Amino acid sequence: NAGVTQTPKFRVLKTGQSMTLLCAQDMNHEYMYWYRQDPGMGLRLIHYSVGEGTTAKGEVPDGYNVSRLKKQNFLLGLESAAPSQTSVYFCASTLVSGGQNIQYFGAGTRLSVL
Amino acid sequence: GQQVMQIPQYQHVQEGEDFTTYCNSSTTLSNIQWYKQRPGGHPVFLIQLVKSGEVKKQKRLTFQFGEAKKNSSLHITATQTTDVGTYFCAGGGGSNYKLTFGKGTLLTVNP
Repeated sequence: NAGVTQTPKFRVLKTGQSMTLLCAQDMNHEYMYWYRQDPGMGLRLIHYSVGEGTTAKGEVPDGYNVSRLKKQNFLLGLESAAPSQTSVYFCASTLVSGGQNIQYFGAGTRLSVL
Repeated sequence: GQQVMQIPQYQHVQEGEDFTTYCNSSTTLSNIQWYKQRPGGHPVFLIQLVKSGEVKKQKRLTFQFGEAKKNSSLHITATQTTDVGTYFCAGGGGSNYKLTFGKGTLLTVNP
């Protein structure tokens, strides 16, 4: 049971390049989330999904797009990377059951945009 | 929108001292969760509090949820070097089970 797996773990981009971050979970969770973490800023929600085929904007969605074509995968895309998108990106999934909604996080993707 | 404030931002203690971090929400929360992130790691769930005035303990860790369900605290008794990391509170109050995270408290422990 791998839990939540993020690929890649590290990436360096040049300004204007595009890339896709992949998040895969094997726990059959309905809800998935993408966060970015910057020093002193905590975790900020970028986009989230409440199920296959559905996505919604979070707190800081500008410059990002997402897709949830399969229940187990949640993709985060940067169409034209900017230095302000240098950050650590975390994916999380949650199973809502019995009043509990615990988020399980992946190991993160460290992205630098030059 | 919902805002969750967490203080202090940093806390350095000597091993064996106690530690407390506080969390305050601008709105009433349906629940509050606490996560721990070790340096270079990812957030890991510690606990969820749901009821007004709830207190839960995990060994040396004590978690409280305020009566008004707008504030919470995490207290660690007799810190150890293994307690090092950033502690986040996260408020659940909106739909779709989204969480609003505080900015975290970075705890360092001097052995």
